[in-house]
Amino acid sequence: EVQLVESGGGLVQPGGSLRLSCAASGFIFSSYSMNWVRQAPGKGLEWVSYISTSSNTIYYADSVKGRFTISRDNAKNSLYLQMNSLRDEDTAVYYCARDPGGGDYFDYWGQGTLVTVSS
Amino acid sequence: SYELTQPPSVSVSPGQTASITCSGDKLGDRFACWYQQKPGQSPVLVIYHDSKRPSGIPERFSGSNSGNTATLTISGTQAMDEADFYCQAWDNSTVVFGGGTKLTVL
Repeated sequence: EVQLVESGGGLVQPGGSLRLSCAASGFIFSSYSMNWVRQAPGKGLEWVSYISTSSNTIYYADSVKGRFTISRDNAKNSLYLQMNSLRDEDTAVYYCARDPGGGDYFDYWGQGTLVTVSS
Repeated sequence: SYELTQPPSVSVSPGQTASITCSGDKLGDRFACWYQQKPGQSPVLVIYHDSKRPSGIPERFSGSNSGNTATLTISGTQAMDEADFYCQAWDNSTVVFGGGTKLTVL
């Protein structure tokens, strides 16, 4: 059974940093691209970042470019999102999502981890 | 930047057919997919590559994509289908989501 479990969310002050993790199991992690998607309270889905299987290709949404860094460790079946210079508008539930190929669709999503940026 | 536009809300009576649209410039030239999200839950893929259903998704869910519009159709809508629906497409190294449509079954 495919499982994606996010962790690392919490309360952080504006300007602070946080590192999210996504533990994958039930499939060959190294064979799939991965993404982070977020959802602000009561709002819609917003794509954050994409990473290819071998980390050769990485994309970011303009809203996080230069502040967030996506990475993965295929040996540990894990995906990460390093978030720096956090702003109030980064408050959201952050989901990791499995990508069978090139961003066309995400077939499995984690349960999400809540990040709250507030003073 | 590329944008996908969905109606904020759609209402349907039980047993009837619901159609949710997603509009974007030349959307038919790229793949569209659809997610269903119920309150407090993670999104679930219901249609990918315009019209394909993942394993476990009921046959009443179908999709099409042509011109500037992708459409999610739910035939014989059930109360359990009430949820938010989001379309998604890929454009120039960016994943784009529509704003979401709240489907009400009443």
